[in-house]
Amino acid sequence: ETGVTQTPRHLVMGMTNKKSLKCEQHLGHNAMYWYKQSAKKPLELMFVYSLEERVENNSVPSRFSPECPNSSHLFLHLHTLQPEDSALYLCASSLLAGTDTQYFGPGTRLTVL
Amino acid sequence: TQLLEQSPQFLSIQEGENLTVYCNSSSVFSSLQWYRQEPGEGPVLLVTVVTGGEVKKLKRLTFQFGDARKDSSLHITAAQPGDTGLYLCAGARGNKLVFGAGTILRVKS
Repeated sequence: ETGVTQTPRHLVMGMTNKKSLKCEQHLGHNAMYWYKQSAKKPLELMFVYSLEERVENNSVPSRFSPECPNSSHLFLHLHTLQPEDSALYLCASSLLAGTDTQYFGPGTRLTVL
Repeated sequence: TQLLEQSPQFLSIQEGENLTVYCNSSSVFSSLQWYRQEPGEGPVLLVTVVTGGEVKKLKRLTFQFGDARKDSSLHITAAQPGDTGLYLCAGARGNKLVFGAGTILRVKS
């Protein structure tokens, strides 16, 4: 595997479910990101991890809980989501946190019923 | 209001036509990146422009960074169906990248 991978690619969940999104990067990068992409809106940065430490949390509701066990893996744990949380969730990595080129995964298309 | 405004939001053209898409802001950026996102995939970096007035070419794509480093344009010559996708600009400000909402380009054969 090369680059940034995300699983699952598609997820449908009810508002009372608990699920997790997984991201893995094979680039030797030190920073990882979670973004939310909705139609006609800019990419919304959710969380930034640098060397497994969270360095940014952009006022994201607590129903989204990130976890970074090591510099290659990033999770987004989801619980009691709302229909407006339906979106494409993109994971990215970069050599260093900040403005370095970001390498994105293919995303997880999430639908909350 | 968005920090980076991209226009047009949507563009549908015939194969062989030329087009320009824009990325504008009232803020200064230290650099600006352009990404293309194809359906079902994540964004992929096309180019980074750093110097005001800089012009970079990538085959049929020409990128320009404004003199004041507040805006940028992407010109595509003789568009092809393979150019179809969402074009995103991202400005570097401080230690953050700020993304625009993108221009959806559809090139019909």
